[in-house]
Amino acid sequence: EPEVTQTPSHQVTQMGQEVILRCVPISNHLYFYWYRQILGQKVEFLVSFYNNEISEKSEIFDDQFSVERPDGSNFTLKIRSTKLEDSAMYFCAVKGDSSTDTQYFGPGTRLTVL
Amino acid sequence: AQSVSQHNHHVILSEAASLELGCNYSYGGTVNLFWYVQYPGQHLQLLLKYFSGDPLVKGIKGFEAEFIKSKFSFNLRKPSVQWSDTAEYFCAVNAETGFQKLVFGTGTRLLVSP
Repeated sequence: EPEVTQTPSHQVTQMGQEVILRCVPISNHLYFYWYRQILGQKVEFLVSFYNNEISEKSEIFDDQFSVERPDGSNFTLKIRSTKLEDSAMYFCAVKGDSSTDTQYFGPGTRLTVL
Repeated sequence: AQSVSQHNHHVILSEAASLELGCNYSYGGTVNLFWYVQYPGQHLQLLLKYFSGDPLVKGIKGFEAEFIKSKFSFNLRKPSVQWSDTAEYFCAVNAETGFQKLVFGTGTRLLVSP
């Protein structure tokens, strides 16, 4: 039983367009994360979200990126003006409150920027 | 800053061969250690994790890993691999406290030939 799902599974967009990637946790989780994996490269942390605010972000997470949890359920990642180099797999992860809880990853969204 | 090194980028084994994948990390504090697996076309799944206690941890599908604190290592082992173990394996680390973003290694692509 998956802890988290993501939509869409694949998104193709033109450079400069806005995209919104969605993460839907199945169970109650308190910590939310976005990671990305550029083809052939390692998984990189983008941002963590706790208590309805960003708790930590990487240098990759610049002003073009934003996250929110508008309805208390879906957790979204928005890229305002996509660039070619944003093409990657984007993974959402969720975790409970304990420091020993596992981060569960969603199936990912493959973003292709043309 | 945390970093993770995986020395083997590609490993090719025959079925029934033994497997050991190296992982070293760099971090000044106490860490949690993980191995995730990504089967072709699927999302990241947790193989095993170490938080504290017995440094030899057992995970799913016959995998185990040993935490050697003095060597900053967390090598993954399996005594006898199967064709179905063909996947990419990622070592990851996070801090024991805080928002616990995961820092991943570059991954090891394992191909098991039948």
